[in-house]
Amino acid sequence: GNSVTQMEGPVTLSEEAFLTINCTYTATGYPSLFWYVQYPGEGLQLLLKATKADDKGSNKGFEATYRKETTSFHLEKGSVQVSDSAVYFCALRSRGTSGSRLTFGEGTQLTVNP
Amino acid sequence: NAGVTQTPKFRVLKTGQSMTLLCAQDMNHEYMYWYRQDPGMGLRLIHYSVGEGTTAKGEVPDGYNVSRLKKQNFLLGLESAAPSQTSVYFCASSYPDSLSGNTIYFGEGSWLTVV
Repeated sequence: GNSVTQMEGPVTLSEEAFLTINCTYTATGYPSLFWYVQYPGEGLQLLLKATKADDKGSNKGFEATYRKETTSFHLEKGSVQVSDSAVYFCALRSRGTSGSRLTFGEGTQLTVNP
Repeated sequence: NAGVTQTPKFRVLKTGQSMTLLCAQDMNHEYMYWYRQDPGMGLRLIHYSVGEGTTAKGEVPDGYNVSRLKKQNFLLGLESAAPSQTSVYFCASSYPDSLSGNTIYFGEGSWLTVV
């Protein structure tokens, strides 16, 4: 079956620090990969996505590259801000599976201090 | 832009009571989903629907029922609430998965506490 594993949290950084949140996956077929972000008290919002190997998704200064050889989709940002404090979820969606369900990782809580 | 709207946002139930969560989307999406979110476990799929009048079980369907009588609405029912159903519930919707990169849009969540 499909599964997503994220690095353990929580993660606490100072403003302008470099961020990496690791994500690895196991899937049948050729999945699409996503990062969702959840700000306090809100629902999940799509942050970025990649639909095939070597694709790079990017948005709001965040980037992630679909690495098929290492089955990874690590999230990076060069300089985090206090406003980036949120929970980040890695997820995958497999082609050919009915219902188009997303499989989520456990989530990583990020706190950025001024 | 309404997107995906859930009601109610907050509810406290006593063990054994029943209730229904309503999800409405205005994007003409075929697919709709109900997830629950628990600490350290990410989101888990309860039930989903690939079109009006159809529903299917997800990972954790026990204790829940759903209905999709109209394309824009997806109802989640708790027949006899249990403390283990204390959670945050998220509704989501999307276009069909002819391309699996299609974005899934989420509502803002419904916080349910069962005492």
